[in-house]
Amino acid sequence: AQSVTQLGSHVSVSEGALVLLRCNYSSSVPPYLFWYVQYPNQGLQLLLKYTTGATLVKGINGFEAEFKKSETSFHLTKPSAHMSDAAEYFCAVSAPGGGSQGNLIFGKGTKLSVKP
Amino acid sequence: EPEVTQTPSHQVTQMGQEVILRCVPISNHLYFYWYRQILGQKVEFLVSFYNNEISEKSEIFDDQFSVERPDGSNFTLKIRSTKLEDSAMYFCASSEMKGASYGYTFGSGTRLTVV
Repeated sequence: AQSVTQLGSHVSVSEGALVLLRCNYSSSVPPYLFWYVQYPNQGLQLLLKYTTGATLVKGINGFEAEFKKSETSFHLTKPSAHMSDAAEYFCAVSAPGGGSQGNLIFGKGTKLSVKP
Repeated sequence: EPEVTQTPSHQVTQMGQEVILRCVPISNHLYFYWYRQILGQKVEFLVSFYNNEISEKSEIFDDQFSVERPDGSNFTLKIRSTKLEDSAMYFCASSEMKGASYGYTFGSGTRLTVV
């Protein structure tokens, strides 16, 4: 069975500081990994995803994440936080193949606050 | 950019009542999904739908739940007799191809409150 753990339900950073949101997963097969963002009163928007190939993936709005198989991690980073980054971020995992394992398994989410 | 539209944004209903949550997926998408998030908990898969039938469902999706695509545009989730524990944010999603790797587009959700 697959699962996702996001460390820290709430992270607060200053504007311009590094953003690091942690995600660890467990999967019996090589996973597909995702980060979604939810701005207030909006839907879940895909930030970036890892399926195969390069383990460092770049997404929208300057975010990137690195798949580390040895650490079963997929942490999300951004070098310099902006006020507009304040949102809730969800890590998710799925198994390849698109079958019953192809559905998304989400973490609990991390709410990011950015202080001026 | 194409959007998945969900209505209403917030619904309050009395325990035991039926509710229908509505979604308009992206027009060229073929696969449709419902997820829910109980306050403070994880976003959970409920059901996937393709070619006018359920493809997969989770253990949460019991006989109280049903889905339907009544016309060419809407995709609905019905809860027959709501319980307090059905209070949650319900997200609809659609995708062009099967499987999360192709990318789901989510709606902004319907917050259901059962009183």
